[in-house]
Amino acid sequence: NAGVMQNPRHLVRRRGQEARLRCSPMKGHSHVYWYRQLPEEGLKFMVYLQKENIIDESGMPKERFSAEFPKEGPSILRIQQVVRGDSAAYFCASSPSVLGGEQYFGPGTRLTVT
Amino acid sequence: AQTVTQSQPEMSVQEAETVTLSCTYDTSESDYYLFWYKQPPSRQMILVIRQEAYKQQNATENRFSVNFQKAAKSFSLKISDSQLGDAAMYFCAYRSAINDMRFGAGTRLTVKP
Repeated sequence: NAGVMQNPRHLVRRRGQEARLRCSPMKGHSHVYWYRQLPEEGLKFMVYLQKENIIDESGMPKERFSAEFPKEGPSILRIQQVVRGDSAAYFCASSPSVLGGEQYFGPGTRLTVT
Repeated sequence: AQTVTQSQPEMSVQEAETVTLSCTYDTSESDYYLFWYKQPPSRQMILVIRQEAYKQQNATENRFSVNFQKAAKSFSLKISDSQLGDAAMYFCAYRSAINDMRFGAGTRLTVKP
């Protein structure tokens, strides 16, 4: 059973470009979570999705950021018109449908905005 | 809102010794879960140990154990017989029954040979 997959592992974008980060949850997991980690800080919750639904996006900036988890395919975190402050590691995690189970993390995508 | 506090930005331990990492949290809920994650230089988040709030017995995983004090909202991690491979950032995390997770700022653990 493959773990949580994220791609790309590293992404470089110029200011104003769009960044798309992909996450494939573990097989059988229908809950996906996105976190952002700034250097020397902990992970900050951004958004929680189930298939085709956003459950909690309280940690997501209102502007430029969006997330989806379609019926087929990976979850996508999209950042439009990136700025230098978006440079961070973005982690995806998944969990099975059982409430309260631990989350399994992907290796992260390191986004660098130049 | 739930908050998780790790008051020790850095800790150091001698190889083979024992170290305790502190974590406190704030919540008004009675049903929740607590975790310790390890993040080595590879940045992969690795689950170390978990604790269900409804369980009074402290969780243990080999050399790792917790001291869960629900009334005090404290959840410390004890690492026994520390090994060089234990060196990493350690994050305490809280998860409510509705599935979102909150992390502390982390404690950087150094293991001295």
